[in-house]
Amino acid sequence: AQSVTQLGSHVSVSEGALVLLRCNYSSSVPPYLFWYVQYPNQGLQLLLKYTTGATLVKGINGFEAEFKKSETSFHLTKPSAHMSDAAEYFCAVTGANAGGTSYGKLTFGQGTILTVHP
Amino acid sequence: EAGVAQSPRYKIIEKRQSVAFWCNPISGHATLYWYQQILGQGPKLLIQFQNNGVVDDSQLPKDRFSAERLKGVDSTLKIQPAKLEDSAVYLCASRPRDYRTDTQYFGPGTRLTVL
Repeated sequence: AQSVTQLGSHVSVSEGALVLLRCNYSSSVPPYLFWYVQYPNQGLQLLLKYTTGATLVKGINGFEAEFKKSETSFHLTKPSAHMSDAAEYFCAVTGANAGGTSYGKLTFGQGTILTVHP
Repeated sequence: EAGVAQSPRYKIIEKRQSVAFWCNPISGHATLYWYQQILGQGPKLLIQFQNNGVVDDSQLPKDRFSAERLKGVDSTLKIQPAKLEDSAVYLCASRPRDYRTDTQYFGPGTRLTVL
């Protein structure tokens, strides 16, 4: 079984400030981890993902996340927030077998709404 | 490359009525998913298709929800009869044939309001 916990349903930052969105996961198999962004009235767009290899993953729009197995975390960061970053962010997990084949089913966290103030 | 298409974008019905949603995945994507996203929550998987076969429907309320994917391309999700708690956004997603490519591509969703 897998689960995702996003700490903080709402995060507010000033423009230019550091963005930190927290995600902890639970998985009985090696996890594949994802961050998705959702703008109002739109579907989910992939920001970045971790499958194997380098634990620091860079994504679109200047976001990055680091997989920390010992902490079961996959926090999302961005050094300098922009007004256009205001959206809802979802962390998700799926698993893979020993051969690297994904099980496919995504389990999502409850989401974090990011507000950026001028 | 065209994205995942869904229709309608919005639907308002009364409880006990029926409703159907349509999804056209990205061309060539073998795997198709339907998710339910209730306001304030993350998406929850309802059903997963591989081509036209069901892989996982463990969280689909089968007494009222049904889904099909004829010919392994388009898919429809139906609710009959609808309840107030079915008010949500229904998201369709698709994934390429390569199982090591885990990215799912999401459509814009259908927002259902049950009155």
